[in-house]
Amino acid sequence: DAKTTQPPSMDCAEGRAANLPCNHSTISGNEYVYWYRQIHSQGPQYIIHGLKNNETNEMASLIITEDRKSSTLILPHATLRDTAVYYCIVRVAGGSNYKLTFGKGTLLTVNP
Amino acid sequence: GAGVSQTPSNKVTEKGKYVELRCDPISGHTALYWYRQSLGQGPEFLIYFQGTGAADDSGLPNDRFFAVRPEGSVSTLKIQRTERGDSAVYLCASSQTSGNTEAFFGQGTRLTVV
Repeated sequence: DAKTTQPPSMDCAEGRAANLPCNHSTISGNEYVYWYRQIHSQGPQYIIHGLKNNETNEMASLIITEDRKSSTLILPHATLRDTAVYYCIVRVAGGSNYKLTFGKGTLLTVNP
Repeated sequence: GAGVSQTPSNKVTEKGKYVELRCDPISGHTALYWYRQSLGQGPEFLIYFQGTGAADDSGLPNDRFFAVRPEGSVSTLKIQRTERGDSAVYLCASSQTSGNTEAFFGQGTRLTVV
């Protein structure tokens, strides 16, 4: 699986949009971009994933550049409970193997 | 249950002892995964089960580590002759068997070897 690069930490004001970047310049055509987050002392939680089109769900939006070499996770109205480590992961599509290769992620701190 | 359940939540053991960590996946999920997370690091893959069989055990660090899933549901991660370097949070996840479904993680077992 391709590697990803994320900033180690970011801050965001409560109520504002949090935009978390991820670089995956070596991504292959059959690799999806996944985002998970991990709140302190909990297991990782799935947020969203996409291949090449922008995706939105009840938690967040995922914007993938046209060349697919980078993406941005957007939390539209961050709350204090969104403080967590956010992981950007690329993974080969298809099959039943769900091996995830986590990096160190971005620690997002939402401030009141 | 509603989610992935791991027991115990915390385990302290002495160096050289044997430990077992249990994972109850979400009902109906055929895929099960074990990960290990050291302080300040992201989770690292250990082993993946599809049903009862270990489809990928490439992440197990050495032969002191072993995992089973005899009936295709509950899984046990077994560590023999524990070392202080085994101290970490051990995470279990499960997912349905299809290409890109999400994995649901448990809260983890914090293992401390003293």
